[in-house]
Amino acid sequence: DAKTTQPPSMDCAEGRAANLPCNHSTISGNEYVYWYRQIHSQGPQYIIHGLKNNETNEMASLIITEDRKSSTLILPHATLRDTAVYYCIVRPLLQGAQKLVFGQGTRLTINP
Amino acid sequence: DAGVTQSPTHLIKTRGQQVTLRCSPKSGHDTVSWYQQALGQGPQFIFQYYEEEERQRGNFPDRFSGHQYPNYSSELNVNALLLGDSALYLCASSLVTRPDQPQHFGDGTRLSIL
Repeated sequence: DAKTTQPPSMDCAEGRAANLPCNHSTISGNEYVYWYRQIHSQGPQYIIHGLKNNETNEMASLIITEDRKSSTLILPHATLRDTAVYYCIVRPLLQGAQKLVFGQGTRLTINP
Repeated sequence: DAGVTQSPTHLIKTRGQQVTLRCSPKSGHDTVSWYQQALGQGPQFIFQYYEEEERQRGNFPDRFSGHQYPNYSSELNVNALLLGDSALYLCASSLVTRPDQPQHFGDGTRLSIL
């Protein structure tokens, strides 16, 4: 069972920041938070991951609360190509334990 | 640097038949995981292969089997196909010694059962 809770859908205007929340209240100390997205008819695309510090890369920023029970993925300047289903996943950092448990994700629609 | 490649992209079978799907991992990766994604659902883990052995398995019947070759490529076999096996089958690869690094996915094989 997925250990995360996400809103089923969100809308955002093109050019604005898209903030996608994720609740993972039962996260363990050795579990990372990963974000993937899936554009229609494609495989999931890795976006970003983190343990407890905020992370930023060329695609997005990840903000993890101090108690690690929730996080927010930020797409700073959303474009129409960012329309996709976004999945938040927690996974333990154990060699070999690399199964990803997907929930339903958040369907993000970027509007012109 | 080639990413994860899967073949074929689309496949149509009838009930009771058998199917083999193929996956080549990203260069440098040694572990392959397979997922099934039904329409409108998130991907569900089927199993994972490392060093040519099945290491982890999800809640799938033994009609689903796999294989990994010495070059790390992998196959997913499904016997006695059911209508409910219609789905997008995804392959993901990773490096076992770097569990902190993400899995990379292919674009999948869409299997339709008539």
